[in-house]
Amino acid sequence: EADIYQTPRYLVIGTGKKITLECSQTMGHDKMYWYQQDPGMELHLIHYSYGVNSTEKGDLSSESTVSRIRTEHFPLTLESARPSHTSQYLCASSEWGLEENIQYFGAGTRLSVL
Amino acid sequence: GQNIDQPTEMTATEGAIVQINCTYQTSGFNGLFWYQQHAGEAPTFLSYNVLDGLEEKGRFSSFLSRSKGYSYLLLKELQMKDSASYLCAVIGNSGYALNFGKGTSLLVTP
Repeated sequence: EADIYQTPRYLVIGTGKKITLECSQTMGHDKMYWYQQDPGMELHLIHYSYGVNSTEKGDLSSESTVSRIRTEHFPLTLESARPSHTSQYLCASSEWGLEENIQYFGAGTRLSVL
Repeated sequence: GQNIDQPTEMTATEGAIVQINCTYQTSGFNGLFWYQQHAGEAPTFLSYNVLDGLEEKGRFSSFLSRSKGYSYLLLKELQMKDSASYLCAVIGNSGYALNFGKGTSLLVTP
């Protein structure tokens, strides 16, 4: 099972602040993902990466950006946070190959923008 | 588009068996996953089906019928700790993106 870590677990900030949500995995997985989940709602993919220097937008439009400079690290940045960004953000990773497409999730960051 | 449906809530008694259904309509099919998510925690992987039939893993089993766009998760010998949300997710044509249902909140009572 993958070890995947997200920091911070909880974050309360004011409108207009720049924030970066950290995600790291220690399993050497090439594929990494960011999902957004509102309370009682389904997870929606907002970003994914196939490997270093590869990033793509997911199905749900998001004002956030991501980078993948190292295999193990996939941070998500909001340049100017707004109350509409209040949500839970979940990071996941998986190996290549259909059989290995099981995604392992981090504990998530619960973001509140005031 | 992607459409994944599962019941919103279910209640079952400790020691009993419960079946959580999931129906899907997706663009292509490359596998169906079940995850368990306790409140405030990360989803954890339970099972994966890509071919029709039943996959058994301890107290948990998952069934898939691709022709019917249907799956179920079967939980046996329910324990209080099984109270959680159970998420059905399908990988479609993309080959990588999990499309999640809204989840079924299961409450196990004494």
